[in-house]
Amino acid sequence: GIQVEQSPPDLILQEGANSTLRCNFSDSVNNLQWFHQNPWGQLINLFYIPSGTKQNGRLSATTVATERYSLLYISSSQTTDSGVYFCAVPDSNYQLIWGAGTKLIIKP
Amino acid sequence: NAGVTQTPKFQVLKTGQSMTLQCAQDMNHNSMYWYRQDPGMGLRLIYYSASEGTTDKGEVPNGYNVSRLNKREFSLRLESAAPSQTSVYFCASSEAGSLDGYTFGSGTRLTVV
Repeated sequence: GIQVEQSPPDLILQEGANSTLRCNFSDSVNNLQWFHQNPWGQLINLFYIPSGTKQNGRLSATTVATERYSLLYISSSQTTDSGVYFCAVPDSNYQLIWGAGTKLIIKP
Repeated sequence: NAGVTQTPKFQVLKTGQSMTLQCAQDMNHNSMYWYRQDPGMGLRLIYYSASEGTTDKGEVPNGYNVSRLNKREFSLRLESAAPSQTSVYFCASSEAGSLDGYTFGSGTRLTVV
């Protein structure tokens, strides 16, 4: 089945810094999703990005499907960006295969 | 507010007790899902319902049953709770065959003692 790997597993940054989170997947996919789980456990849908680039405020994401990776960029980090960032892709039954996540801590 | 509503938010059970977690969505999504998340881990799929009237096992279905009551509601039942089922449970919904609009409920924190 499809394998999804995220890096780095942990990231600690000072407020105001920029960061890049990576998601690699082992097989070709036609969909990819980025989620943020905040420190209170709430899961938020960030981007649906099967290919190309999307931006939403300080966050943007790029998926290069032919090279089997996606990147999530966070600019000018704020403490509210802390949490765990997951990427997920569908398998052949269209069920999500999740990465293990990147835990981001933004220090004030 | 539009979205996915889960009840209860917190629950403590004794080993062997049963309970049902409720989930309802008002986005007219066809597909609904139940996940569990253990501390420091990602999400694991328990059961899913691709459309009204169908349910299928996910990665970790043992010890659980589900019912897709109608298009809006998808419940998860623990018939005889075990300490290994202590976890946070999330319900989610999406359009069939798409990740677009994938929406999670706020979770149920379940402790089995």
